[in-house]
Amino acid sequence: AQKITQTQPGMFVQEKEAVTLDCTYDTSDPSYGLFWYKQPSSGEMIFLIYQGSYDQQNATEGRYSLNFQKARKSANLVISASQLGDSAMYFCAMKGTGNQFYFGTGTSLTVIP
Amino acid sequence: NAGVTQTPKFQVLKTGQSMTLQCAQDMNHNSMYWYRQDPGMGLRLIYYSASEGTTDKGEVPNGYNVSRLNKREFSLRLESAAPSQTSVYFCASSGTGVTNQPQHFGDGTRLSIL
Repeated sequence: AQKITQTQPGMFVQEKEAVTLDCTYDTSDPSYGLFWYKQPSSGEMIFLIYQGSYDQQNATEGRYSLNFQKARKSANLVISASQLGDSAMYFCAMKGTGNQFYFGTGTSLTVIP
Repeated sequence: NAGVTQTPKFQVLKTGQSMTLQCAQDMNHNSMYWYRQDPGMGLRLIYYSASEGTTDKGEVPNGYNVSRLNKREFSLRLESAAPSQTSVYFCASSGTGVTNQPQHFGDGTRLSIL
């Protein structure tokens, strides 16, 4: 069975500091992709970063990086130098060899000035 | 680029009424999806279509029907709306069979059923 677990319902971070949002996954597929999305209060879903199961290096996109630990089945999102605009819901998702994406329940991040 | 377009953005229905949510994508994606999002529950898959002419049930299909009209369009129909279907509905699309292509989402439809 495919499953994504996000254990942090809410997180707080001081502006300009780094924050790590946790994501663990479960799959038996040999090949899979891991994704992070941001959902601000306006409601749209914004794709942030992707990590492939066979990628040797952790993915980075600007201030976003993905701490991928395959043996531990974790794919944590690291946001560096947090900004007020980073306050949002963040969802971890996975796609295996089938056509479905599997989403976690999300983490609400609040950046404190 | 329009990406994924959903209509309407907001809708209020009375219990028992029917309506169709429309979704169109211009990214030449094979796969399209309908999700509902309720507070504290993340995204739950209602139906998806891996390619034109095929549809499959997701986690919460009861009370909904879908139509994959062509490659671009995937509609979601509520035949007899119930208050439990009050939610935000998202349509998404992606490439089929490859794990490195993210889903692209529409802006959502906020549906209230009284």
